[in-house]
Amino acid sequence: VQLVESGGGLVQPGKSLKLSCSASGFTFSSYGMHWIRQAPGKGLDWVAYISSSSGTVYADAVKGRFTISRDNAKNTLYLQLNSLKSEDTAIYYCARHTMGITDYWGQGVMVTVSS
Amino acid sequence: DIQMTQSPSVLSASVGDRVTLNCKASQNINKYLNWYQQKLGEAPKLLIYNTNNLQTGIPSRFSGSGSGTDYTLTISSLQPEDVATYFCFQHNSWPLTFGSGTKLEIK
Repeated sequence: VQLVESGGGLVQPGKSLKLSCSASGFTFSSYGMHWIRQAPGKGLDWVAYISSSSGTVYADAVKGRFTISRDNAKNTLYLQLNSLKSEDTAIYYCARHTMGITDYWGQGVMVTVSS
Repeated sequence: DIQMTQSPSVLSASVGDRVTLNCKASQNINKYLNWYQQKLGEAPKLLIYNTNNLQTGIPSRFSGSGSGTDYTLTISSLQPEDVATYFCFQHNSWPLTFGSGTKLEIK
């Protein structure tokens, strides 16, 4: 199982960014997936979930600004981040989920929101 | 939202000690509680799922217990490689929430 995030970087407040998570080593279409973030030196903060059938759930802090999606043909998970705020600065991890078990995590990608 | 409170925030123990980390939920989470280990600069690693199930490949010195609102992670004999921050995580209800972590150090 391998999960590799990409697309992070430095972005100004109010701007947008799209993260990707490339999955390999398992049948991607059969698993739900999470995005989880960690602000520098802080704890873990669940962001969003997409089921294998593409149902979605969001944390209140990102609802209406972030969109989670998936492309099973490309074995890729996405997170569209709009209207970014300084408090969105964090390492963003994608993680695999099945039957209540969030097991494998990617190494994370850094998003910095600053002017 | 379910609040997850971990204690202590920092724990210092000696190699070979039995250590216990605590996690308290603000309401019943029906044993839907996972434990993760995060070493410095690394992604979290799943240790225990659904309260007491050891993830494949995790040493048997790690164990979990609990019910209702109170859960524990026990390391039966602390090893130097166990230095890390440990997070509990409830997946009983949305939004999913993590505890703030226990940083485990070696004396």
